[in-house]
Amino acid sequence: AQSVTQPDIHITVSEGASLELRCNYSYGATPYLFWYVQSPGQGLQLLLKYFSGDTLVQGIKGFEAEFKRSQSSFNLRKPSVHWSDAAEYFCAVGGGYGGSQGNLIFGKGTKLSVKP
Amino acid sequence: DTAVSQTPKYLVTQMGNDKSIKCEQNLGHDTMYWYKQDSKKFLKIMFSYNNKELIINETVPNRFSPKSPDKAHLNLHINSLELGDSAVYFCASRSSSYNEQFFGPGTRLTVL
Repeated sequence: AQSVTQPDIHITVSEGASLELRCNYSYGATPYLFWYVQSPGQGLQLLLKYFSGDTLVQGIKGFEAEFKRSQSSFNLRKPSVHWSDAAEYFCAVGGGYGGSQGNLIFGKGTKLSVKP
Repeated sequence: DTAVSQTPKYLVTQMGNDKSIKCEQNLGHDTMYWYKQDSKKFLKIMFSYNNKELIINETVPNRFSPKSPDKAHLNLHINSLELGDSAVYFCASRSSSYNEQFFGPGTRLTVL
């Protein structure tokens, strides 16, 4: 079955500290992987995506993620967290372009809180 | 310019009513979606639609129906609203060239 697991429901880090949010997926075909961020009361903004090629991808706002096929993981990282990074983070997996393969399957999200 | 827009942003209504949420994208994308985000923030696909195909998540009640007057719009009609329909509904769109989806700001539906 296709699924995305984000093991951490809530993470709190101090401002300036490094961050890693975990994501594991189960997908039968070549996965297309995404991280989205949702600020309170807002829609979802794409942070970064992996389709193919270099397994370390750079995104907006200083985020990066590494695709590890052997571990079925796509963890999100940031070297130094800012207070404005406090939000809900969603990992998602999708497949090819056609039909239901284009649908995204989301993890349940990780809420990030940032301490001053 | 807003890429994917939804109206209204908030919708409060009584049980049993029929309501619609509108979605428009100005990205020229081929495929549009509706997602439901429940109170625990879980996002679940409801529909995907392009000019060839409507794919319905089998768990969605038939009280929910998407209507697409043209390629840029995918509206969501809900009949006989129930308390459990209270959620945030997101519209999204995707081009045929890229597999990333762009989301609207969401519509918070509250059924009393």
